Amino acid sequence: DTGVSQDPRHKITKRGQNVTFRCDPISEHNRLYWYRQTLGQGPEFLTYFQNEAQLEKSRLLSDRFSAERPKGSFSTLEIQRTEQGDSAMYLCASQGAEQYFGPGTRLTVT
Amino acid sequence: AQKITQTQPGMFVQEKEAVTLDCTYDTSDQSYGLFWYKQPSSGEMIFLIYQGSYDEQNATEGRYSLNFQKARKSANLVISASQLGDSAMYFCAMREDTMEYGNKLVFGAGTILRVKS
Repeated sequence: DTGVSQDPRHKITKRGQNVTFRCDPISEHNRLYWYRQTLGQGPEFLTYFQNEAQLEKSRLLSDRFSAERPKGSFSTLEIQRTEQGDSAMYLCASQGAEQYFGPGTRLTVT
Repeated sequence: AQKITQTQPGMFVQEKEAVTLDCTYDTSDQSYGLFWYKQPSSGEMIFLIYQGSYDEQNATEGRYSLNFQKARKSANLVISASQLGDSAMYFCAMREDTMEYGNKLVFGAGTILRVKS
């Protein structure tokens, strides 16, 4: 257990539905990252927060994706109008000296 | 742009033997960090070892060591005395150490390691 938690661990949704994931980082960590990992690949960077400010977004983050980190604590990642191509593992990481990952949320879009 | 290459899709090793997982990287930055993570079938990413680009000594953490050859841009992971529990996917990753980029990690495609009894 790295101290980073994610909820839910698994989500099955129908195409076109909205989904929201939550990440609770290690409490003293200011930086929080979201990554997406598709089957057989390494994680790919989506977005990054320094406290409550979203400072960088990947081109992978289409306008259907939105992330927030109110008050610089937990973060949420929302996907609107899900597509089958959104099926992946969504990983959150918080950074002190190194990045520590949560267990991930596995999304399946049917 | 940063790039990580892991050329071994899968590796087998006999229990108690050592194994080397290859990683090469490409960056134009002088200051960067190299990481190895382990991902068991359960999915969590477990941090194993870190090497800074200015570190003169190869990093070691228990049974893990990182063979850092800067001129060749390689950062191979060596696991000594393999155990059955080492069976997992292993990812090499790089971080550019500049505030501008927020220290995001760039990952390779991974190597599946299977330890045989």
